[in-house]
Amino acid sequence: QVQLVQSGAEVKKPGASVKVSCKASGYTFTTYYMHWVRQAPGQGLEWMGFINLSADTTGYTQKLQGRLSMTRDTSTSTIYMELSSLISEDTAVYYCVREEGGVAVPKQRFDYWGQGTPVTVSS
Amino acid sequence: EIVLTQSPGTLSLSPGDRATLSCRASQSVDSRQLVWYQQKPGQAPRLLISGASTRATGIPDRFSGSGSGTDFTLTINRLEPEDFAVYFCQQYGGSPPYTFGQGTKLEIK
Repeated sequence: QVQLVQSGAEVKKPGASVKVSCKASGYTFTTYYMHWVRQAPGQGLEWMGFINLSADTTGYTQKLQGRLSMTRDTSTSTIYMELSSLISEDTAVYYCVREEGGVAVPKQRFDYWGQGTPVTVSS
Repeated sequence: EIVLTQSPGTLSLSPGDRATLSCRASQSVDSRQLVWYQQKPGQAPRLLISGASTRATGIPDRFSGSGSGTDFTLTINRLEPEDFAVYFCQQYGGSPPYTFGQGTKLEIK
């Protein structure tokens, strides 16, 4: 079965960077788009960006351009999300999510979610 | 940016009741790109409905979705205890391409 297992909670100081991992299993890793979505405490969901695991291309929300980087390691079926120059507003639970359908027929919806990684930014 | 506004913010009902949740878009959304998710405390969201009205695999038929243009509705008939959760709508289109509503909390009365 499909599983997305994320790395553990992080506490960072303002200005630092955080790198969160997401290990995928149960499907052919490189045939899907993967996304990152975050949820600030008590708030709704915010889409951050995607990585095409086949072409190794990425797209990020304009709000986070310049601070966000998504990468993949096909040898371990793992994707990474790195956010730099952290501010308090980056405090959130970060989810890796799989886009249903695969790169051949993307469906623009998210069928599997990781368990979430809490990131706290505090001095 | 397409803004999705969900109402009500909190809905208090009893098991066996019918729940009606609204998702209103700031501009017209292709109904094929309107999705609903359910999130229980401490858990990741779960895909419920796609294409505004198509239930995801394993979702009971007491869940139904409808709507078009800027107004979409999630209806849950005969509420079960496990249905009390937060529900989010999501759309694809525009910039950023994916946006979510702020959520409706369905709580036990």
